[in-house]
Amino acid sequence: DGGITQSPKYLFRKEGQNVTLSCEQNLNHDAMYWYRQDPGQGLRLIYYSQIVNDFQKGDIAEGYSVSREKKESFPLTVTSAQKNPTAFYLCASSKPGLVIDEQFFGPGTRLTVL
Amino acid sequence: GNSVTQMEGPVTLSEEAFLTINCTYTATGYPSLFWYVQYPGEGLQLLLKATKADDKGSNKGFEATYRKETTSFHLEKGSVQVSDSAVYFCALPWRRYSSASKIIFGSGTRLSIRP
Repeated sequence: DGGITQSPKYLFRKEGQNVTLSCEQNLNHDAMYWYRQDPGQGLRLIYYSQIVNDFQKGDIAEGYSVSREKKESFPLTVTSAQKNPTAFYLCASSKPGLVIDEQFFGPGTRLTVL
Repeated sequence: GNSVTQMEGPVTLSEEAFLTINCTYTATGYPSLFWYVQYPGEGLQLLLKATKADDKGSNKGFEATYRKETTSFHLEKGSVQVSDSAVYFCALPWRRYSSASKIIFGSGTRLSIRP
């Protein structure tokens, strides 16, 4: 079955450490996205990528970095510069050419900074 | 600019009650509209969608009608079940890049159903 996988499901980090969240998709989608979700709030876009080796900042990119070396993979690094990293992180993908522009989501990674 | 405003939660109902979650939007042109659902501890799933005015999206007993005159896309279900307990997001795709889309999400409405 096609879909999006994120790992790990839960991640704990000490302050001052960088951590990388994995996102893999086998839907053959060109575009991929990272969102942050805080309790009781909607989703905020961190980064997105339209094609391999290209990515753009979203609304809250500070303290985060990404890479897109393969079509299937879009890892997110939460750096020590991110002041409040504890949140639920969601990866998504979409296929170009769809009129409706639906995005498909992974199951999420919950990051807690200790 | 484009925006989505949805009813604040939490909403608590008894099983078999009628559900309405309000959503209004501000947008230039005539965008598509979505409702996504997020079950506890999971990612978002597309629940239903409408692509033009007067369209009705429906899925799993939920319905929403795209009303241009009131700029609304309210979510309804005639008889809710405990399994419908989740967070519901109204969403508006508004800017399309060459191969990526941007979606504006509402703040989400948490729904809890009592047995």
